[in-house]
Order: sequence, then structure tokens, then C-alpha cells
Amino acid sequence: GDSVTQMEGPVTLSEEAFLTINCTYTATGYPSLFWYVQYPGEGLQLLLKATKADDKGSNKGFEATYRKETTSFHLEKGSVQVSDSAVYFCALGISSGSARQLTFGSGTQLTVLP
Amino acid sequence: KAGVTQTPRYLIKTRGQQVTLSCSPISGHRSVSWYQQTPGQGLQFLFEYFSETQRNKGNFPGRFSGRQFSNSRSEMNVSTLELGDSALYLCASSDLAGGETQYFGPGTRLLVL
Repeated sequence: GDSVTQMEGPVTLSEEAFLTINCTYTATGYPSLFWYVQYPGEGLQLLLKATKADDKGSNKGFEATYRKETTSFHLEKGSVQVSDSAVYFCALGISSGSARQLTFGSGTQLTVLP
Repeated sequence: KAGVTQTPRYLIKTRGQQVTLSCSPISGHRSVSWYQQTPGQGLQFLFEYFSETQRNKGNFPGRFSGRQFSNSRSEMNVSTLELGDSALYLCASSDLAGGETQYFGPGTRLLVL
């Protein structure tokens, strides 16, 4: 079945450091790929998405490129801020017929220290 | 547009009771999905509704059920609560134009004692 494997956390960085969170997937079809972020006590916020191979999603300085050849969608940011501290989830979405479902990775806790 | 809203935000129940959670999707969105989030199992898909019909269901026991109304609002019900049902229940909505993109509400945190 479909699955998402995320880099184990937690990840602790200093402010202005470079961030990479690895994500790889297994899917039988042609999924869309997503990164969601969850702040403490809140729901999930869509951070960025890519719907086909070689697409690059970007938002708030975060980027991820849909790599079909390596089945990956790694999240990167050039300079993290304290406010980026949150849990990040990689997800894939496939519409099977008309039904929709997201499959999530286990999440990566990011802490950014001032 | 207003986002996805969920009520109540917090709930405490005891084992054996039942609970109903409510979700109002983004205006114009006709698909509503429910997910359970726990520290041990992570985020797991419960079910999806579209135009009042359940289109997809995850691997959960029959104690978990849901429905959708003609205005696209959705409810999920858990009967005979167990301690392991303690979780954050997240609702997400989407529209046909958005493809697989789903937008999440703040969640209902359920504690079963």
C-alpha cells in the first residue's frame, strides 16, 4: 500500500541554520505530495504542495521538489527562525476513483534555538 | 473565506459513553475527511464524505461512524468509548478543483477516562 517515510526527529537547529527534512514515499499511482505543519495545540496547516514530477512547491521560504526518480519530497529552508519550531508532516494524496485520502509520515519535530 | 471549524474543541468522556464531533467545511467544499491523531499511531485516516455519501473508509472498527448533511457539514460518532480512543480528531475539507489538497480544522481533543 501507499506509505510515507520521514526523517526521524527531533531536529534541533540554531536560528539561521539550514534545514532539511527528508521524506520518501511509496505509491502505486501518481500521487500529489504535501508538507503540512502543526504548531502546538493546533491543527495542520498546509505548507506547500506539488502535484506532479519535477514540480517545486514553495511557501514562507520553505521549498520541496517532487522527485519521481528517487520517490522523494525533501523539505528545505535556507535560514530557519525560532517561529519555525513545530512538527512537520510529509503526506501523499491519491484520488482513487473519486475518493480522496491522505497518507502521512510520522512527523518531524523541529526546534529552533535563538 | 472562513476556514474549517470543529466543535467542540475539547471533550472529556468516560469509558462506555458515546461522543459526537462536528465539522463545518470551508464554504463551497463538498468533501469532508476525518483523521485521528495519536502519539503512538500518528495520523490515521478515518473516512471521507462527499455529497452525503461515504466514499472511503480507513481501518477502524464499526464503533466509528460518520455522516454528512446536505450543507456539507459533517459529524463523526464514536460509540462505546475506550481509553485508546483518546486522541486529536481532525477534520479536513477539499473541493473538486483543488485535487487532493485538504485543508484542516483545529481539531477536537478527546480524552477518555
